[in-house]
Amino acid sequence: AQTIHQWPVAEIKAVGSPLSLGCTIKGKSSPNLYWYWQATGGTLQQLFYSITVGQVESVVQLNLSASRPKDDQFILSTEKLLLSHSGFYLCAWSLPGGLYEQYFGPGTRLTVL
Amino acid sequence: GDQVEQSPSALSLHEGTGSALRCNFTTTMRAVQWFRKNSRGSLINLFYLASGTKENGRLKSAFDSKERYSTLHIRDAQLEDSGTYFCAAESSGSWQLIFGSGTQLTVMP
Repeated sequence: AQTIHQWPVAEIKAVGSPLSLGCTIKGKSSPNLYWYWQATGGTLQQLFYSITVGQVESVVQLNLSASRPKDDQFILSTEKLLLSHSGFYLCAWSLPGGLYEQYFGPGTRLTVL
Repeated sequence: GDQVEQSPSALSLHEGTGSALRCNFTTTMRAVQWFRKNSRGSLINLFYLASGTKENGRLKSAFDSKERYSTLHIRDAQLEDSGTYFCAAESSGSWQLIFGSGTQLTVMP
């Protein structure tokens, strides 16, 4: 069975500090991977997607970057956090080869002060 | 850009009754997913449809790409059905999954 893990569970960070959020998927080879973000009271927005190692496409510009260093790992990061980065970050996966049903991780709640 | 309009934003039902949630799309979508938010804020998959209808227990969903809408029907609502439900649609020609704003469902005794 596939499992998706996100870390950390929650983070409180200062404006201007760096950030790294992680996501790993076990039990599925070469999945498509996605990052989503939801501001408090806002709609969930897709940020990035990746269909293969080393390849990441941006959907929404939020002064964030993403990388896929391994087949089963997806990293979301920034060197300088903004207040507007606060919210809930979700990682998702789907089967490779096309657009299929997406399955979501448990999420990371980020508070920027 | 492509948009997903979900309604109603809030819905109250008495136990044993039913209703429908709806998502309208401003453009042709390739497929739709319906989710329920869990206690932690993550999403539980309810349905994935590229066309037609699917049913699971007291839930039934339909997707009409041509008419640009999808529905989620709940029948015989139970207290544990309370929560927030989202639709999300795959935009044709892109890798983007676009979410609706959610429906807060409250089931009352």
